Amino acid sequence: DVKVTQSSRYLVKRTGEKVFLECVQDMDHENMFWYRQDPGLGLRLIYFSYDVKMKEKGDIPEGYSVSREKKERFSLILESASTNQTSMYLCASRIVQVYSNQPQHFGDGTRLSIL
Amino acid sequence: DQQVKQNSPSLSVQEGRISILNCDYTNSMFDYFLWYKKYPAEGPTFLISISSIKDKNEDGRFTVFLNKSAKHLSLHIVPSQPGDSAVYFCAASDGGTSYGKLTFGQGTILTVHP
Repeated sequence: DVKVTQSSRYLVKRTGEKVFLECVQDMDHENMFWYRQDPGLGLRLIYFSYDVKMKEKGDIPEGYSVSREKKERFSLILESASTNQTSMYLCASRIVQVYSNQPQHFGDGTRLSIL
Repeated sequence: DQQVKQNSPSLSVQEGRISILNCDYTNSMFDYFLWYKKYPAEGPTFLISISSIKDKNEDGRFTVFLNKSAKHLSLHIVPSQPGDSAVYFCAASDGGTSYGKLTFGQGTILTVHP
């Protein structure tokens, strides 16, 4: 079974702080993703990485950055946290197979509150 | 611009009956569609998927139907069980160079009553 582990289930931070959310997967997956989930909006893609040290912006990258120095680890960084970044953050990973679509597998999420 | 839409925020069904969850999309480049189930305080769990070369895919109690001309997909759960109560998200991807990026709908809360 694929295991995607997010370092914190709940996190409370203050406005203006730099916040790090960590995600680790144990299946040697090439692709990794960060989403946020908000009521009525579904999951929205913040950033993704298709391989080590490679990253691409998703649909809502403003105020965020990412780092992928090792294949198994993908970090999401809130440069200067603001209250509108209070949300559920979800990390996912996916194996790449030629000529075969594969689903993403998700971690349990980090509920982040910015005060 | 919501490219994937789930127009029903909630659905209530009696145990043993069929649950039908619907999803519409606008991007004709989408060629891979998935359904995820999410319990509170957990991450989404992959349920079932379908490629655009098919119009139906079954896995046990779960069947996904794809109508490409209408840009519509649906998830049928038969028979529904109380443990199926969760939020269901549909998602879509275009094969191309999207690296498996998914576009999600807003979700439908399914409640199955005993």
